[in-house]
Amino acid sequence: QKEVEQNSGPLSVPEGAIASLNCTYSDRGSQSFFWYRQYSGKSPELIMFIYSNGDKEDGRFTAQLNKASQYVSLLIRDSQPSDSATYLCAVNLGGGSNYKLTFGKGTLLTVNP
Amino acid sequence: GAVVSQHPSWVICKSGTSVKIECRSLDFQATTMFWYRQFPKQSLMLMATSNEGSKATYEQGVEKDKFLINHASLTLSTLTVTSAHPEDSSFYICSARDLLASTDTQYFGPGTRLTVL
Repeated sequence: QKEVEQNSGPLSVPEGAIASLNCTYSDRGSQSFFWYRQYSGKSPELIMFIYSNGDKEDGRFTAQLNKASQYVSLLIRDSQPSDSATYLCAVNLGGGSNYKLTFGKGTLLTVNP
Repeated sequence: GAVVSQHPSWVICKSGTSVKIECRSLDFQATTMFWYRQFPKQSLMLMATSNEGSKATYEQGVEKDKFLINHASLTLSTLTVTSAHPEDSSFYICSARDLLASTDTQYFGPGTRLTVL
């Protein structure tokens, strides 16, 4: 069964710390990987996407992809209370041309002031 | 850019009635839109893929006669929940993929919260 797994959390970090969010996926042929943030009662908003192995940085966020290990992570540096949300990992499993994304169940992050 | 709107943002209806939800891409064209449902404290579940000018593709277990999808233009898809029942109460969210984008990034609308009494 094609799956996207995330550590369920909740994850609690102090303000200013690095938050590390992890995600594994089942299909080795997957090509596109996304991180979305969802505040309670709101819809997901895109943080970043990554297609190639290695790191991709955007401001305080760094996505890391390791296709051999079927693993993608998101690091949030200098965490702020406003980063408190559920973080969703999404994968186009198998790299299908239908552009469908499979979402993990999400990790709830709490940043304590 | 990449703004997706939904209307209405919330709706309350009586059991047995039908509800239509609109999803619009405001500043881009989208041949493909997606409809998701999210129950409290659960992740997004894809209901169907909506393709402009053709029939929607439904995920396994989703009743196509109950959840009618119409994607009549490159900027508008609608989801109609027919004969709604309390168990259909949920957060319905659409997303759209930019026709001209080289990536398969999906941009989400703000969602529609449906409550069926």
